[in-house]
Amino acid sequence: ETGVTQTPRHLVMGMTNKKSLKCEQHLGHNAMYWYKQSAKKPLELMFVYSLEERVENNSVPSRFSPECPNSSHLFLHLHTLQPEDSALYLCASREGGSGNTEAFFGQGTRLTVV
Amino acid sequence: GESVGLHLPTLSVQEGDNSIINCAYSNSASDYFIWYKQESGKGPQFIIDIRSNMDKRQGQRVTVLLNKTVKHLSLQIAATQPGDSAVYFCAENRRTNAGKSTFGDGTTLTVKP
Repeated sequence: ETGVTQTPRHLVMGMTNKKSLKCEQHLGHNAMYWYKQSAKKPLELMFVYSLEERVENNSVPSRFSPECPNSSHLFLHLHTLQPEDSALYLCASREGGSGNTEAFFGQGTRLTVV
Repeated sequence: GESVGLHLPTLSVQEGDNSIINCAYSNSASDYFIWYKQESGKGPQFIIDIRSNMDKRQGQRVTVLLNKTVKHLSLQIAATQPGDSAVYFCAENRRTNAGKSTFGDGTTLTVKP
């Protein structure tokens, strides 16, 4: 266990559905991240939150909407997704928000859009 | 642009042999490097890191070497075991980039018994 928990582990949704991914960390970290991992591609950074404020939106389509209500929780709200959005979505947290510490990843949510 | 790449997408070794996984990076401003291991069905897990003021760092059965001259990073695994089978990623960071790591493509290591 890394201390970062993601739910659900698997999600199948239609293109007209609305769903949310949840991430929770109890490591006392104050930076949290959403990454997308597609087959045969490097991890792609989607969003960065530091001290509950979004500090990065890496040109992600508006059908993905993050929310960080407090430093322990991060959500990714999904609506009107496309089949090409099917991927493993990984949440990570980091101490201090600086670049020079390792990230702790959750197990990921395997998302399939049908 | 900035990129981090691994030389080989797959590596197959015999149990007990040593493994070497390589990574090249392009950003000379990178000052912190991390190796992650990702087992099937799990998220990436930290293995070892190295800062740019070092050229070698050892952990338990793992060693990371950093050559800043040629922007090359390697991960050496001693006495490779079946449990080492996974995808290995290198990542580069800069102190000023709020932890926005750039990840390589990953090398899939398969350990044959």
